[in-house]
Amino acid sequence: AQSVTQPDIHITVSEGASLELRCNYSYGATPYLFWYVQSPGQGLQLLLKYFSGDTLVQGIKGFEAEFKRSQSSFNLRKPSVHWSDAAEYFCAVTNAGGTSYGKLTFGQGTILTVHP
Amino acid sequence: SAVISQKPSRDICQRGTSLTIQCQVDSQVTMMFWYRQQPGQSLTLIATANQGSEATYESGFVIDKFPISRPNLTFSTLTVSNMSPEDSSIYLCSAGTSGNTIYFGEGSWLTVV
Repeated sequence: AQSVTQPDIHITVSEGASLELRCNYSYGATPYLFWYVQSPGQGLQLLLKYFSGDTLVQGIKGFEAEFKRSQSSFNLRKPSVHWSDAAEYFCAVTNAGGTSYGKLTFGQGTILTVHP
Repeated sequence: SAVISQKPSRDICQRGTSLTIQCQVDSQVTMMFWYRQQPGQSLTLIATANQGSEATYESGFVIDKFPISRPNLTFSTLTVSNMSPEDSSIYLCSAGTSGNTIYFGEGSWLTVV
């Protein structure tokens, strides 16, 4: 069975500092990987996705993520965090194709707090 | 991109009652799904909403408790039946087309008292 692990439940950074949120997945087939962000009282917004090709993907709001197949990781990064980035971040994986495509398995989420 | 609208956005319900949540997508999609997010938890897939046929439920979820309809390629409903306080959650609809981005609605925040 596929699984996603976000080792850090809560991360605190200062505004302007760099950020890296970790995501590891366990999946037997070719995965499609996503990062979503959930602000308090809001639904999920897609930050970026990896399907294939270049392993460094760019997303919205200045985020990027790097897919490392050898490490089964898909870590999210941002060079300079803004106070508005405070939210909960979810890594998710789905099958690359077939009838199970779109059935997402989520990590437990990482809550990001940003200090001024 | 697809825009997904959910109704109601929030509701407070009495235990023992049922509530139907609607999900409307602004374009035709091949796949629609329903997720539950319990307080302080991550998202768990309830079921795949199949157009014109019965939904496919994940382990731990049953049709009697969470009946789902999907009459066409842009609309689905999830009913939470005979509610108890343990059903207090955010219910989210997602949709997409195979091989493409999966989008989410804003969620329906349900409190059962």
